[in-house]
Amino acid sequence: EAGVTQFPSHSVIEKGQTVTLRCDPISGHDNLYWYRRVMGKEIKFLLHFVKESKQDESGMPNNRFLAERTGGTYSTLKVQPAELEDSGVYFCASSWGGASGANVLTFGAGSRLTVL
Amino acid sequence: AQSVTQPDIHITVSEGASLELRCNYSYGATPYLFWYVQSPGQGLQLLLKYFSGDTLVQGIKGFEAEFKRSQSSFNLRKPSVHWSDAAEYFCAVVPFSGGYNKLIFGAGTRLAVHP
Repeated sequence: EAGVTQFPSHSVIEKGQTVTLRCDPISGHDNLYWYRRVMGKEIKFLLHFVKESKQDESGMPNNRFLAERTGGTYSTLKVQPAELEDSGVYFCASSWGGASGANVLTFGAGSRLTVL
Repeated sequence: AQSVTQPDIHITVSEGASLELRCNYSYGATPYLFWYVQSPGQGLQLLLKYFSGDTLVQGIKGFEAEFKRSQSSFNLRKPSVHWSDAAEYFCAVVPFSGGYNKLIFGAGTRLAVHP
């Protein structure tokens, strides 16, 4: 079974530019999550999709961040325009079934974003 | 404030030595508890989890963790560390059992292993 795949693994952009991160969840997983780890700090929840619907986007930092999951398969996370404080590692995770805390998340390797 | 605390940012041990990584949480109810590991270039991999029942849980790669309600702790242990265990370890909780699956992570502990 293929795992959660994220692309790119590392992106370096200038402040003010746009970056789009992509996540391909495990096939059949309805739940898709985005998390972020800013330099040396905790990994923090950004948002949760159930299929193509946003279930919870309470962790999105501001309106420069836009997440989509068209068709309920892969997801993209766009940052526009990027700021220095957006630098960090963006993790995607997926799980099957409902959103119970008992359903274990499978994480991708993360996309490292560096904003200069 | 509700939080997950991993008090050790870095730990260095010799290969073959025992290991204990600490994790404390500040939620009132018994949460679901997890330990994840991230090796270089890899995703977060689940080592073990605790939902209920026996408070000593076994995981992959020879790791175990013990839930202690009185101390609000879920420390990770391994009796003999291998060089391949060098990685970053994250404790995480779902704040209350039966709750929505939104993990709260600690800041992580980076483990270095001396040959």
